[in-house]
Amino acid sequence: GAGVSQSPSNKVTEKGKDVELRCDPISGHTALYWYRQSLGQGLEFLIYFQGNSAPDKSGLPSDRFSAERTGGSVSTLTIQRTQQEDSAVYLCASSLGDARSTEAFFGQGTRLTVV
Amino acid sequence: KQEVTQIPAALSVPEGENLVLNCSFTDSAIYNLQWFRQDPGKGLTSLLLIQSSQREQTSGRLNASLDKSSGRSTLYIAASQPGDSATYLCAEQNTGNQFYFGTGTSLTVIP
Repeated sequence: GAGVSQSPSNKVTEKGKDVELRCDPISGHTALYWYRQSLGQGLEFLIYFQGNSAPDKSGLPSDRFSAERTGGSVSTLTIQRTQQEDSAVYLCASSLGDARSTEAFFGQGTRLTVV
Repeated sequence: KQEVTQIPAALSVPEGENLVLNCSFTDSAIYNLQWFRQDPGKGLTSLLLIQSSQREQTSGRLNASLDKSSGRSTLYIAASQPGDSATYLCAEQNTGNQFYFGTGTSLTVIP
């Protein structure tokens, strides 16, 4: 498909385990965002990648969270030693070229449940 | 931190009615304002993007306006249909890299 693809769509993990969430952006999109949406809450910015520039990590809630983007395409968000408060829907978005003035497209999200 | 507010939080209208959703933001120096819809358990679907140099955008029954000086945007939906039922989110992007989202308006269109 031509949209942003995220996997897995659902993930249930035990407290203390590490998880990896994957995002495949739209081909040719150089900007990539990760957001988190907790139940009944708004979208919380996590991290932003733009081309080969250093990522904006200002939204990562703790050092248990990290993300990388390999080859300027696929991105992986890793949560170490998961906690119950990490349970949320993790959304990835991409946009074309410079992030300013371009439309962002979101994936369907990964629903993470920490038990 | 930018504040984005959406009013009302929830709205219920009969099918066929025209309606307006409101979005206000604190920073007038925006680059973009984008409207999305979110269906339950789904991701966000982009509806309209208004760049800072524009005042409105139209797509089908949807029309979005932007007034930077007053820090407001509206999404107008004409002739509403049950399939329009969803949560509508606005997001503004300014000199930073991230989008700042409102908490959304939950719309129910009653057949």
